[in-house]
Amino acid sequence: ETGVTQSPTHLIKTRGQQVTLRCSSQSGHNTVSWYQQALGQGPQFIFQYYREEENGRGNFPPRFSGLQFPNYSSELNVNALELDDSALYLCASSSTAAKNEQFFGPGTRLTVL
Amino acid sequence: GQSLEQPSEVTAVEGAIVQINCTYQTSGFYGLSWYQQHDGGAPTFLSYNALDGLEETGRFSSFLSRSDSYGYLLLQELQMKDSASYFCAVSDQAGTALIFGKGTTLSVSS
Repeated sequence: ETGVTQSPTHLIKTRGQQVTLRCSSQSGHNTVSWYQQALGQGPQFIFQYYREEENGRGNFPPRFSGLQFPNYSSELNVNALELDDSALYLCASSSTAAKNEQFFGPGTRLTVL
Repeated sequence: GQSLEQPSEVTAVEGAIVQINCTYQTSGFYGLSWYQQHDGGAPTFLSYNALDGLEETGRFSSFLSRSDSYGYLLLQELQMKDSASYFCAVSDQAGTALIFGKGTTLSVSS
């Protein structure tokens, strides 16, 4: 059984640029959630996708957008990057049978200069 | 608003028992989860409580009191590898967003 994978591992961008982060969910999982974790803080919920539809969104501006594909993998897109977007971006997947247990990927460390 | 409070740091020695408390104030409540995160690593699921009472999983136990909006994680027979950050998280509906606390850094010394 393959766990949650994310790419890239690290990324450096400059203000105003756009970025796409990718996540492959664990086998058999149909729900993907994205979180932003600033240094020394807990993860903050960005949004969740279930069967290719957005299924909830946290307090993030519209320049944070996402997609889920038929194979349940997912993308997080961030436009017009700001310095405060520098953080660890975590993807988590879960299954319908065990909704309350989320399996996290290793994250993508984004640095905005 | 939504808030979860947990201590920022806890220290203990190997073999000891530690309790990490979490109080929450959220607009909706479905369950309380606990996650462990080692430095530079992914959060990993430890436990979930939807009903009042104690859930035990090996050396770790988790407790919930819905009427008090309070829960705790109990770690027994501490080992050096337990040094990590521990987060409580509330879900307002089954399987939806997790609202995390700021985390408790546990340092275990020999």
